[in-house]
Amino acid sequence: GAVVSQHPSWVICKSGTSVKIECRSLDFQATTMFWYRQFPKQSLMLMATSNEGSKATYEQGVEKDKFLINHASLTLSTLTVTSAHPEDSSFYICSALGQPSGDTQYFGPGTRLTVL
Amino acid sequence: EDKVVQSPLSLVVHEGDTVTLNCSYEVTNFRSLLWYKQEKKAPTFLFMLTSSGIEKKSGRLSSILDKKELFSILNITATQTGDSAVYLCAVEAGLTTSGSRLTFGEGTQLTVNP
Repeated sequence: GAVVSQHPSWVICKSGTSVKIECRSLDFQATTMFWYRQFPKQSLMLMATSNEGSKATYEQGVEKDKFLINHASLTLSTLTVTSAHPEDSSFYICSALGQPSGDTQYFGPGTRLTVL
Repeated sequence: EDKVVQSPLSLVVHEGDTVTLNCSYEVTNFRSLLWYKQEKKAPTFLFMLTSSGIEKKSGRLSSILDKKELFSILNITATQTGDSAVYLCAVEAGLTTSGSRLTFGEGTQLTVNP
């Protein structure tokens, strides 16, 4: 099956710093990537949808200047959490749609961000 | 490499039927198994299972984990058309010292016809 990777798998940073998380589709071209946030025992919260070569579409309530998303190629999307604060600590998960997966979303393993 | 396999990949039933969805896994340092329902966008959390043999129930949905045989099932009784969705199984694994990772199965597409 299609593989999606995320890097780093976990990161600890100081308040006020920026953190970049990468999401890669390893064996297929992802025309669309999704970024989610998850709190323990809760549903995944969709943050934004990114299409290759265009600006991301953010969900209501998600600050686009704080969560910068770049989908520069068909295999890579990045999420940068700018000026991170402790309340940004969470599990960030990406998923990807594209050939050959068609309508199936393939999920990455997630990145745990802890902001001190 | 962690692996999560769901079956069947697709299922079509009539309203009122009972369905059983399967999820088997092979991971290192298992922590928990999660079930989600995905209708349009973000998957909705259903259950988190950490202990073997303890059934979790929510209305017509129930789930149980077998850590010896490395699988979980999700049961839906008296299905309704609103149950039509993709059901995702994910396993959280990893040591607390190195952070956890989630591995998702491919999902089971359930279609409930009236």
